[in-house]
Amino acid sequence: AQSVTQLDSQVPVFEEAPVELRCNYSSSVSVYLFWYVQYPNQGLQLLLKYLSGSTLVKGINGFEAEFNKSQTSFHLRKPSVHISDTAEYFCAVRPLGGGGADGLTFGKGTHLIIQP
Amino acid sequence: DTEVTQTPKHLVMGMTNKKSLKCEQHMGHRAMYWYKQKAKKPPELMFVYSYEKLSINESVPSRFSPECPNSSLLNLHLHALQPEDSALYLCASSQDRLNYGYTFGSGTRLTVV
Repeated sequence: AQSVTQLDSQVPVFEEAPVELRCNYSSSVSVYLFWYVQYPNQGLQLLLKYLSGSTLVKGINGFEAEFNKSQTSFHLRKPSVHISDTAEYFCAVRPLGGGGADGLTFGKGTHLIIQP
Repeated sequence: DTEVTQTPKHLVMGMTNKKSLKCEQHMGHRAMYWYKQKAKKPPELMFVYSYEKLSINESVPSRFSPECPNSSLLNLHLHALQPEDSALYLCASSQDRLNYGYTFGSGTRLTVV
């Protein structure tokens, strides 16, 4: 089984400042890793994913994340945030090959609040 | 077409009503999913269809009944729901169960009164 921990339920940041949203996971098998963003009253939009290869992955809207296997982490970063980045961010994992229970396992989410 | 379309966007129903949620995709994806999301919580997997066959049912009460009439369409039939079933219901699709890419719809906001 897999589990995902997002340590911060809420992160306030001033506009144009950098931000890091933390994600740690636990799994007995190798996993794919994802970050999704959810704006109010919307579905989930994929920001980026790690499947294999380079541990630094770049996504949409200027976000990037780094996979650290030894620390089982996949933290999301952006060097300069905008008001429009205010949203809920979910980290998620899925076992390689779809083994075991299917579907994505989500963390509890981090609410990113951008302050002017 | 790179979207998953869900209808209706909002639904209010009584506890004795029968209603259906609809999800459609034309990306050729062969796996489709229903998730339930309560306010300020992450999505929780309800059902997985793979090649139009139900492959996972995450112990969902029988008042929720999924249906996959063809590879592009996924329905969720609702009957005798409870107020605690009020939530955002999200549909997603992927190329097949082993594929890593999911596309989510915008969801149906369900309120049970």
